[in-house]
Amino acid sequence: GEDVEQSLFLSVREGDSSVINCTYTDSSSTYLYWYKQEPGAGLQLLTYIFSNMDMKQDQRLTVLLNKKDKHLSLRIADTQTGDSAIYFCAAGGGYNKLIFGAGTRLAVHP
Amino acid sequence: EAEVAQSPRYKITEKSQAVAFWCDPISGHATLYWYRQILGQGPELLVQFQDESVVDDSQLPKDRFSAERLKGVDSTLKIQPAELGDSAMYLCATTAPGGTSGGGEQFFGPGTRLTVL
Repeated sequence: GEDVEQSLFLSVREGDSSVINCTYTDSSSTYLYWYKQEPGAGLQLLTYIFSNMDMKQDQRLTVLLNKKDKHLSLRIADTQTGDSAIYFCAAGGGYNKLIFGAGTRLAVHP
Repeated sequence: EAEVAQSPRYKITEKSQAVAFWCDPISGHATLYWYRQILGQGPELLVQFQDESVVDDSQLPKDRFSAERLKGVDSTLKIQPAELGDSAMYLCATTAPGGTSGGGEQFFGPGTRLTVL
């Protein structure tokens, strides 16, 4: 079955860029998503990319997809303390179930 | 902005007791999902509904878990009897027909955090 893997922890300085990486195994995944989860809260959809795209930019967020290597990344420009959260990569889409990674905890320090 | 509603937000129960969680989807969202998120892990799908019909319940422990969506709107997830290993966050998500640009994005509720003692 589908497997999604992420690094577990990332620490960055406020104002720097953050890059969170994700790999997945099922090349038939239609969409790839990035969700954000703050402590005690549900998941907030940040952005998604269709599998035939290479890049998507949305304000401070840039998603890069390398379909050949099944590698997805999320870049957050000018990282702020309010960006501290857990970020989940998920694969699936088209009303099918999502397969989530274990999440990357982003810590932003002054 | 419309949101997925869940209740209760927190539930503490003793093992062997019965618990129930409720989800009210965004109006018009026909597809509804229940996920379980164990601390430190990503969410895993328990059951998926399309309107009132179950589409996927392959990961639902059917000896103790049940889910229903009788009128194709709100949904209830029940555990009976609860076990210590059921302690987790239970998340409900819904999807609009067509999604945004056909993305079928899932919108999540705030979750119910269950603690089994």
